[in-house]
This record gives sequence, C-alpha cells and structure tokens, in this order.
Amino acid sequence: EVQLVESGGGLVQPGRSLRLSCTGSGFIFRDHGMGWVRQAPGKGLEWVGFIKRKRSGGTTHYAASMEDRFIISRDDSKDIVYVQMNSLKTEDTGVYYCTRDSDWSLDVWGQGTTVTVSS
Amino acid sequence: SYDLTQPPAVSVSPGQTASITCSGDKLGNKHACWYQQKPGQSPVLVIYQDMKRPSGIPERFSGSNSGNTATLTITGTQAMDEADYYCQAWDSDTVVFGGGTKLTVL
Repeated sequence: EVQLVESGGGLVQPGRSLRLSCTGSGFIFRDHGMGWVRQAPGKGLEWVGFIKRKRSGGTTHYAASMEDRFIISRDDSKDIVYVQMNSLKTEDTGVYYCTRDSDWSLDVWGQGTTVTVSS
Repeated sequence: SYDLTQPPAVSVSPGQTASITCSGDKLGNKHACWYQQKPGQSPVLVIYQDMKRPSGIPERFSGSNSGNTATLTITGTQAMDEADYYCQAWDSDTVVFGGGTKLTVL
C-alpha cells in the first residue's frame, strides 16, 4: 500500500523552529518529487513547497511567502522528506500534509500533522 | 503570481449533475486536477491531467479544461459527494490551488 506518514508536529512558541518528517512506503521514493501543503484551521489548501527527485535535479521550490523561512530536504536512503520551519509565526498554525508528485498532480497525501504556534 | 478562482459554494440535489468551475489565465494550456476533501480527512485526488480518474474514483467524476476554465462534473451526485473541492495547476515550478468550493447535496 502506498503511504505517507508525517510526524513532528506539536505546540511551539513564536520565533522558534520545528522540523517535520514524512516517511514514504509502498513505492520507489527516489522516483518522485515530494512536497508539503498546509491548511490553516477552517481555511483552504496552501502549497508550501516541494523537492524534485534527484534525477530531475533535486532542486527545491517554495511558495513566495515561505521561501525565506522554510527548507525542504530529502533522504532517499531512508525514504524521508523533511521541512525545516524557522522563525515560526502564529499564522503558520495548521495541518501540514506531505504529498507525492505524479503526473502534474499530488496523487498521494499523508494524514497530516498539526502545528500550533502559540505562546 | 498565478491565481485560480472557484465559486465558494455549489448546491445540487441528489441524483442531479454538479459542476464546479476553476478559472485562471490560459488555464487550458496547463494540466488541471481536482481534490476532494471531507471534514477531518486528507484531500483525495479525483481528477488529474484535466480529465483522468485515478484508480478507485467513481465514473460519475469527470473533468474538462479549455480556454480559461477547468470544470469538475459529478453526474448523478450522491450524498457522499458532499465535500470541499479544490482545483490545482502548476505554474512553472509552483503549485497553485484554487480557494475551494463547498459542495452541498440537498
């Protein structure tokens, strides 16, 4: 079964950092771009960014509002993609989903991990 | 930046056809896809590359994309189809989502 499992969410104070992880299984992880999407409470989906597969360059791309604070990386030996989130703000609160890229779509989504930024 | 616009809400009676639109500049030149999200659940891909259905998605879901508008059509809508629907496209190496449409089946 193709699956993505996120971890690392929790309560964090404004200005602090947090790293989320996403472990893939049931597919050849290195063959796919991997990304993150977030959803604030009661709001729509917001793209965070993604990292291409290594044979497509392994480059990272971010939403303009996040590219100076968020860093996405991957470890294909462990089938994990990360997002390092720095200088967190209250508006970063939400559910963070890991996604798999395929055929110009995000075809697999994790169950999400909740990040709450509050003092 | 590239924007996708969806109506906030669409209503449909059970058994009827629901159409949800997504508008963007020259959207027909891009690949559009659609996600369904039910309360408390992760989004699920229901249409990709404008009109293709992933395995397991019922045939009543279909899509089209031309000009500036992509459309998700649900034929013979069922109560279980009540959900939020999001369109999505790529603009260069950036993912863009529409604001979402709440489909009510009543």
